[in-house]
Amino acid sequence: QKEVEQDPGPLSVPEGAIVSLNCTYSNSAFQYFMWYRQYSRKGPELLMYTYSSGNKEDGRFTAQVDKSSKYISLFIRDSQPSDSATYLCAGGGDSSYKLIFGSGTRLLVRP
Amino acid sequence: DTGVSQNPRHKITKRGQNVTFRCDPISEHNRLYWYRQTLGQGPEFLTYFQNEAQLEKSRLLSDRFSAERPKGSFSTLEIQRTEQGDSAMYLCASSFPSFHQETQYFGPGTRLLVL
Repeated sequence: QKEVEQDPGPLSVPEGAIVSLNCTYSNSAFQYFMWYRQYSRKGPELLMYTYSSGNKEDGRFTAQVDKSSKYISLFIRDSQPSDSATYLCAGGGDSSYKLIFGSGTRLLVRP
Repeated sequence: DTGVSQNPRHKITKRGQNVTFRCDPISEHNRLYWYRQTLGQGPEFLTYFQNEAQLEKSRLLSDRFSAERPKGSFSTLEIQRTEQGDSAMYLCASSFPSFHQETQYFGPGTRLLVL
């Protein structure tokens, strides 16, 4: 079992829809969680950082962490075609500074 | 541009050759990380440095791989006697440690193809 699991998708939604992306993780020691966006053949771009449980909002993006159920979510409001990319979740902060990534969810926002 | 930079962006080599990649982190960041990403997968951790000290290495980092950060600034990742299984995107990231904030910023990656 991978430490961080994501549905690979693809997830296809119409422009303007609310998108929900999810991850589960197994490492109880994770302290912080991140969402990255990765366009094809590019490096990951940091979207959201969350420490411990709770919600964090930044513009159209909201990240939620529920440590009791080991569940991480990213919501994208008013989705745009430019949001079409692979979204990677990651956990970290156990005994190391390395990040453990999920395999990513491909999102396609149709105009 | 003050982001993480990586060179070269693409590298094609023949099996058995040695290759070296370079990463220049964001200037004030003292932690530097190397990850490897294959198609359809998320990045996998290889190693990280705090200043010039290499503090952790993954089991993925075989004896053919070596990384250095001699002056605590840029870093190099060398792969000796490349194999076809080494074909991947090699990503570098950097961070500046602060309490409850360990955000890693990635470079554009070096895409390696071993023929």
